[in-house]
Amino acid sequence: EAQVTQNPRYLITVTGKKLTVTCSQNMNHEYMSWYRQDPGLGLRQIYYSMNVEVTDKGDVPEGYKVSRKEKRNFPLILESPSPNQTSLYFCASSSLYSPDTQYFGPGTRLTVL
Amino acid sequence: DAKTTQPPSMDCAEGRAANLPCNHSTISGNEYVYWYRQIHSQGPQYIIHGLKNNETNEMASLIITEDRKSSTLILPHATLRDTAVYYCIVSIYGQNFVFGPGTRLSVLP
Repeated sequence: EAQVTQNPRYLITVTGKKLTVTCSQNMNHEYMSWYRQDPGLGLRQIYYSMNVEVTDKGDVPEGYKVSRKEKRNFPLILESPSPNQTSLYFCASSSLYSPDTQYFGPGTRLTVL
Repeated sequence: DAKTTQPPSMDCAEGRAANLPCNHSTISGNEYVYWYRQIHSQGPQYIIHGLKNNETNEMASLIITEDRKSSTLILPHATLRDTAVYYCIVSIYGQNFVFGPGTRLSVLP
């Protein structure tokens, strides 16, 4: 089954404790993105990647890092999480040949205390 | 990317057509109109997209005005499972989407 998976789905952590949210897709897609969703603000893009070793900032990249060492994986790293990074995070992927159709993962709900 | 304006909420009776409007008056010539929906807090789901012509697929129809300043998403026979937030987005090549607050569609029995 074609899908985007994220882990963990739920995470409660404390300020300053480094964490990684993994994202993996099995569709051989070139494009991958991370979004965060906050009440009243909609979904905002954090980072995106157009292929392996190619990443770029989205609208709200501060406090986040990403890497794209393999085509299927696009982890989101929070080196020193803060409470304002409490949010619902989505990973998405799309094909080079059909970039319009983004497939989203199930979401990761992160709480930073 | 151009900004879109959608009504915050709409109701529709089950079995009837749901018509969701979107204004994108500053859309540029190479920007497409996309529609996604999000059921509860699940990941958004692609519905349909178009440039100039009207489009139809198994989920919905997209009507774009001739001046491209507005569009309407039509769900021909809404069901309770279509209750969701619907996002209208304009973008070049489907990247760097900006999801606004969308329209919360409630399908009523």
